[in-house]
Amino acid sequence: QVQLEESGGGVVQPGRSLRLSCAASGFTFSYYPMHWVRQAPGKGLEWVALISSDGTNKYYADSAEGRFSISRDNSKNTLILQMRSLSVDDTAVYYCARSDGYGFLYWGQGTLVTVSS
Amino acid sequence: EIVLTQSPGTLSLSPGDRASLSCRASQTVDNNYLNWYQHKPGQAPRLLIFGASSRATGIPDRFSGSGSGTDFTLTISRLEPEDFAVYYCQHYGSSPGFTFGPGTKVDIK
Repeated sequence: QVQLEESGGGVVQPGRSLRLSCAASGFTFSYYPMHWVRQAPGKGLEWVALISSDGTNKYYADSAEGRFSISRDNSKNTLILQMRSLSVDDTAVYYCARSDGYGFLYWGQGTLVTVSS
Repeated sequence: EIVLTQSPGTLSLSPGDRASLSCRASQTVDNNYLNWYQHKPGQAPRLLIFGASSRATGIPDRFSGSGSGTDFTLTISRLEPEDFAVYYCQHYGSSPGFTFGPGTKVDIK
């Protein structure tokens, strides 16, 4: 069965960096575009970034542009979100999700990132 | 970029009631690329409806979606205890067209 498992969350100081990973299994990872979506405490869902199936095309929400970098390693079935210059506004649960051409059918359980001094 | 507005913010209902949730887009949603998700605390969001009216795999038929253009509705015909959650609409289009609405919380009256 399809599984997505995020890791790498934790507590980080403002201005620092953090790298999130999403391990995929149960499907041919290299066939699918992948997304990162986040949810800040008490807030709604916010789309963060998209990467094409082969990794050549990348798109970001305005809030992530210039600070976050999405990448993937299809040989290791892994999706990455490199986050720099973190601020308290980046505190959220970060989900990876598989793009099925019409919606986000599969999601991980999320990893919590807390930006705090 | 399409902006989505959802109403009401909170819907207080009882099990067995009918729920109607609204999602309005700031401009026409091409090809009705409008999705609905259910989200419960501590869980991953779940895709309910895609393309405005198609149920995702395994979704009970008490969930239905309708609408076109800029106005969309998610209807839950008879609320079950497990349906109390937050519901988000989403525009699914070419980047940056993956915007979510602010959500409607359906809670127990």
